[in-house]
Amino acid sequence: GNSVTQMEGPVTLSEEAFLTINCTYTATGYPSLFWYVQYPGEGLQLLLKATKADDKGSNKGFEATYRKETTSFHLEKGSVQVSDSAVYFCALSDQQGGSEKLVFGKGTKLTVNP
Amino acid sequence: GAVVSQHPSWVICKSGTSVKIECRSLDFQATTMFWYRQFPKQSLMLMATSNEGSKATYEQGVEKDKFLINHASLTLSTLTVTSAHPEDSSFYICSALGGRAQHFGDGTRLSIL
Repeated sequence: GNSVTQMEGPVTLSEEAFLTINCTYTATGYPSLFWYVQYPGEGLQLLLKATKADDKGSNKGFEATYRKETTSFHLEKGSVQVSDSAVYFCALSDQQGGSEKLVFGKGTKLTVNP
Repeated sequence: GAVVSQHPSWVICKSGTSVKIECRSLDFQATTMFWYRQFPKQSLMLMATSNEGSKATYEQGVEKDKFLINHASLTLSTLTVTSAHPEDSSFYICSALGGRAQHFGDGTRLSIL
């Protein structure tokens, strides 16, 4: 079945450091790929998405490129801020049967120190 | 846009009671909503897919008689945890499908004493 493998955390960075969170996937067909962010005690917010190969999703300084050849969707940000501290989830849409289910990675906790 | 409201955000109740959680899409219509459960420091586990006007589809291992789902309108789905017990304590999150992306509520923390 479809699956998402995400780098395990926690990740601790200093403010203005470069961030990469690796995400690879296994899927049949052509899923859409997502990054969601969860702040403490809250639900998930869609950070960015890409729906086909070579698409680049971007938002709030975060970027991720849908790489079909490496089945990857790594999240990057050039300069993190303390406010970026959160848990980040990579996900793919499991479109079997047209249900648009999401399959999530295990999440990566990011802590940014001032 | 694409705001999903989940209520209540926190509930504490005695063992044996039933608890209803509401999930509303505020500015869009959602024929499909999803209910997840999240354990501490873990990922989201899909419990069921809720379709407006039809029965929910439950994931393997989820008790449909325990977790009752109703999706009576295009903007509202409810999850009722019946006869709740301490092992049902968890963080429950709903999402609504809009524009081929899922938009999440802020979650409900359920604590059963």
